[in-house]
Amino acid sequence: DAKTTQPPSMDCAEGRAANLPCNHSTISGNEYVYWYRQIHSQGPQYIIHGLKNNETNEMASLIITEDRKSSTLILPHATLRDTAVYYCIVKDSGYALNFGKGTSLLVTP
Amino acid sequence: GAVVSQHPSRVICKSGTSVKIECRSLDFQATTMFWYRQFPKQSLMLMATSNEGSKATYEQGVEKDKFLINHASLTLSTLTVTSAHPEDSSFYICSARDTDVSYEQYFGPGTRLTVT
Repeated sequence: DAKTTQPPSMDCAEGRAANLPCNHSTISGNEYVYWYRQIHSQGPQYIIHGLKNNETNEMASLIITEDRKSSTLILPHATLRDTAVYYCIVKDSGYALNFGKGTSLLVTP
Repeated sequence: GAVVSQHPSRVICKSGTSVKIECRSLDFQATTMFWYRQFPKQSLMLMATSNEGSKATYEQGVEKDKFLINHASLTLSTLTVTSAHPEDSSFYICSARDTDVSYEQYFGPGTRLTVT
């Protein structure tokens, strides 16, 4: 069963912010929101994760709504190298990551 | 960040032969490793969870006698595809969870298996 819903694809102009949404309306209290990305033919790369507070690191920001039913990953200044499939995953910290279909982000010049 | 390696990066084998794929955590200890499979244009599918020193736990529909997993040390897990067939051709990816940082999983670069 899919725990998250993401748009299948998005475009973003280079240098602009990329905002990738994710719905996770059935998230439980002990589940975190994780974001990974996969560049073609490579292993997934960890981006960020959070429980209920907004988070920021050197790669991205994660905004989680107060009811925790949705979140947005923000890449503040997208580059061509950010073109990838982005996966939003909710899980308890002790379990494996189960990947959905993700969002294919295309950053254009 | 932590590094996970896989060997080989790509392998071509004949139908009926067995292939072993290694997954190593290079700078951290991993009590738990995971094996995924990814077919073209599809998402990663979890195959099994591998715990050091114990038997792997396989996901529904994954044949444990065909996909042998060994996790004999805190830095090495192996996946052996036995009696490979063309339908086993896929991208196999492992990940390792840092024992000291339980929330993070690090992925290997993947192994492209082609069975002819």
